[in-house]
Amino acid sequence: DTAVSQTPKYLVTQMGNDKSIKCEQNLGHDTMYWYKQDSKKFLKIMFSYNNKELIINETVPNRFSPKSPDKAHLNLHINSLELGDSAVYFCASSQPTGTGELFFGEGSRLTVL
Amino acid sequence: AQRVTQPEKLLSVFKGAPVELKCNYSYSGSPELFWYVQYSRQRLQLLLRHISRESIKGFTADLNKGETSFHLKKPFAQEEDSAMYYCALSYNNAGNMLTFGGGTRLMVKP
Repeated sequence: DTAVSQTPKYLVTQMGNDKSIKCEQNLGHDTMYWYKQDSKKFLKIMFSYNNKELIINETVPNRFSPKSPDKAHLNLHINSLELGDSAVYFCASSQPTGTGELFFGEGSRLTVL
Repeated sequence: AQRVTQPEKLLSVFKGAPVELKCNYSYSGSPELFWYVQYSRQRLQLLLRHISRESIKGFTADLNKGETSFHLKKPFAQEEDSAMYYCALSYNNAGNMLTFGGGTRLMVKP
């Protein structure tokens, strides 16, 4: 009955590889997000999708490409991984208006060697 | 651009002591502020929102527009309050785009 689930939880890979992180929510929310938490615990929004359409795209390199096949899924694909991409990536979802309450996944820890 | 600042990375107190986690913001519009909490091995979750003026788990937070602050307070800390706390500001009319502060780790010692 997990609300927002991400896979994988841990990902270790070499520089230059391409990897994906998947996210699914069963809350019926219209809006989904990707946040990046760096080593200093700063949490920054990367993307936001509302009903499969891109709403927010912060200053994120083009190597990062979100894809939303339907409103319950928002996947993050990263090309040509760099050392600086090492972080914990959090998926979240919410209703598009109102409370400001985001429901987060458990996070996916990406380590680039 | 909006900004949320949590000046303390780590706050350590003894059980039963009062707690205040500081949060300051800068935003040109009318702010909506939140506190989120992440307990060990758990997901980040909403603790409270200023608009509700509620007390959750003994925590309260008052929005002070003059000082642009939204400090989180609890009169008597418990060990189970140990967690990472994030202050967040909503910067769109819909209230769902959040800018987070850098977080404060609260450690409550027995």
